[in-house]
Formats: sequence, C-alpha cells, structure tokens
Amino acid sequence: ETGVTQTPRHLVMGMTNKKSLKCEQHLGHNAMYWYKQSAKKPLELMFVYNFKEQTENNSVPSRFSPECPNSSHLFLHLHTLQPEDSALYLCASSQEYKKTFNRGFSGNTIYFGEGSWLTVV
Amino acid sequence: GQQLNQSPQSMFIQEGEDVSMNCTSSSIFNTWLWYKQEPGEGPVLLIALYKAGELTSNGRLTAQFGITRKDSFLNISASIPSDVGIYFCAGLSGNTPLVFGKGTRLSVIA
Repeated sequence: ETGVTQTPRHLVMGMTNKKSLKCEQHLGHNAMYWYKQSAKKPLELMFVYNFKEQTENNSVPSRFSPECPNSSHLFLHLHTLQPEDSALYLCASSQEYKKTFNRGFSGNTIYFGEGSWLTVV
Repeated sequence: GQQLNQSPQSMFIQEGEDVSMNCTSSSIFNTWLWYKQEPGEGPVLLIALYKAGELTSNGRLTAQFGITRKDSFLNISASIPSDVGIYFCAGLSGNTPLVFGKGTRLSVIA
C-alpha cells in the first residue's frame, strides 16, 4: 500500500467540465508534487509545493489550478481542458524540497501515488 | 535543460537472464533514483543513490552511482516474470527539480 493516495483513479470529463484530482500523503512529508505522464514522453513536472507554498510552476496552462491546503493534501483543479490533456497525472511527496541540493541529501527523494487516469472527451 | 539518456529503450529477455540498463548525462548529478512502473500504476522507488561510487542492492536489484556523477546503472539478476514493467532513472542536481529518463520497457519471456 502506497503512502500517497490519489482519487479518483480514473476520470472522464468533457471539455467544458470542471473536476478536481485529490492527493493525500501519509508519510509526514512537507513537499508535494504534480507530474503529468503522457505516452512516449518523460515524466513532466507540473507543480511543486513546499510547506504549503508553491515553489515551482513549470509553465503549466492556467486550465490546471493546484491547491495545497496543508502539507498532507494536494488538489489539481481542472477546467476547460483539451483532449491533449488526457494523461496519467501523478502526485508525489518528499520530505521537503530544497533548491540547492547537497550531496548525500535524501530529503528530495520523491514517492509517487498510483496516479489518476484522465480522459478528456 | 538537463537530459537523461536512458538505454536501452526496451528489452525482451528470457526468464532467468540478467538485465542491465543505464542512464547517462552530460551534467553532474548529486542523486540518482531508480523507479519501476507497472501498467496502470504509479512509479515505485526501487533504489536511491546519494554518493558517487555508491553501490546499493535491493534483493535481486543492484544499482551504482557512477564515479563521474554523470551516469548510473541498474542490474537485475535472474529475472522473473514479475520484473516486467518500465524502469525509470531520475537524477537531481544543482538547482533543478528531478529529471527523468524516458524509461526502459522490460519484457520477460517465461
């Protein structure tokens, strides 16, 4: 059983719908992440939250809106998505997120949830 | 931006064979991570490496952090059918978030 749980596991939505993905981590971590995984592409970082503050936004379109109410919960609000946004959305967490990475520092090691499969029709 | 070159892209092996895959980069990394992803699931951390030259095992899996800090390899000994999946390397360096390779898809023929 993973320490990072995501709901729903599968979501089908129309382009005019508004939906949300939810992530909860039970690892006592302080950093949470959203990644997008599309076919034949490397994992793409979308957002990073460290101690509830957004520290990375990887040029993600505004139709994706993250929310981090506390260190254990992360949401991804979706609205007016496009079919090309269909993908596996992965939540992850780590002990913390440090921009200056020191050798031997393990706090940035991330642990993934099981993912939410999103299909936009 | 930084890139990781992971090879091979895919492998078909017989059960019982050993497997080797690697990741290389032109950049120096401070951390190497190896993940396995099975169909319909998120990546699961297999091995984490934090020091150059470090050699770490996890059951039949062994991974090494290259001395130059620009590469890492993962070996799987005596493969079994449940080893099937996509294996990803990931690296951390400097001021950039985790960078992922494109994955090695492993198929095991019984």
